Amino acid sequence: QVHLVQSGAEVREPGASVKVSCKASGYIFSGFAIHWVRQAPGQRLEWMGWINAGDGSTEYSQKFQGRLTITSDTSASTAYMQLSSLRSEDTALYYCARAYCSGNKCPCGGYWGQGTLVTVPS
Amino acid sequence: QSVLTQPPSASGTPGQRVTISCSGSSSNIGSNYVYWYQQLPGTAPKLLIYKSDQRPSGVPDRFSGSKSDTSASLAISGLRSEDEADYYCAAWDDSLSGPVFGGGTKLTVL
Repeated sequence: QVHLVQSGAEVREPGASVKVSCKASGYIFSGFAIHWVRQAPGQRLEWMGWINAGDGSTEYSQKFQGRLTITSDTSASTAYMQLSSLRSEDTALYYCARAYCSGNKCPCGGYWGQGTLVTVPS
Repeated sequence: QSVLTQPPSASGTPGQRVTISCSGSSSNIGSNYVYWYQQLPGTAPKLLIYKSDQRPSGVPDRFSGSKSDTSASLAISGLRSEDEADYYCAAWDDSLSGPVFGGGTKLTVL
């Protein structure tokens, strides 16, 4: 059974960085991309970026270029999302989600992590 | 950043059929599949529809999806109280090289 388990809640001061992990199990980690999506309180889902867990290639939303780094450790079946230069507007629930399919143009599928709350006090 | 357009709210009474629309452009819905997610309060999104009109196993056939040109719809028939949730559409966007989400529709069962 596929599971994505994320690291716990974080509180960071403005200007700091945060790194959230997403440990996958129940499937071949390198076979699917992992997306990162965030949701500010009461707001819509917002795609941040994705990593091809097979070759480590990444694609980031232009909104987060320069601040976002997504990495993966195939040996640990874990993906990581690091966001730097945090500001209060980055306060949100951060989700990892497995791509629906292998290959190109595969959005988030049916397997999501439980979410990690990142709080940046104003 | 491209965003798909959904009505902010929808409502219906138990047993009714409701439809939620999702409007996009040629770079997303016009050239790629549409996906629909249901998000209950305090939980992660759940995949309801994939490849525009396909249901994952376990999703009741009361839920159906369709797509035409640059728009898509999610229909829920035989509305039930447990269907009260936020619904999001999404599609791959070729200009973004990633998925784009709709703004979400809050469904209320009266």
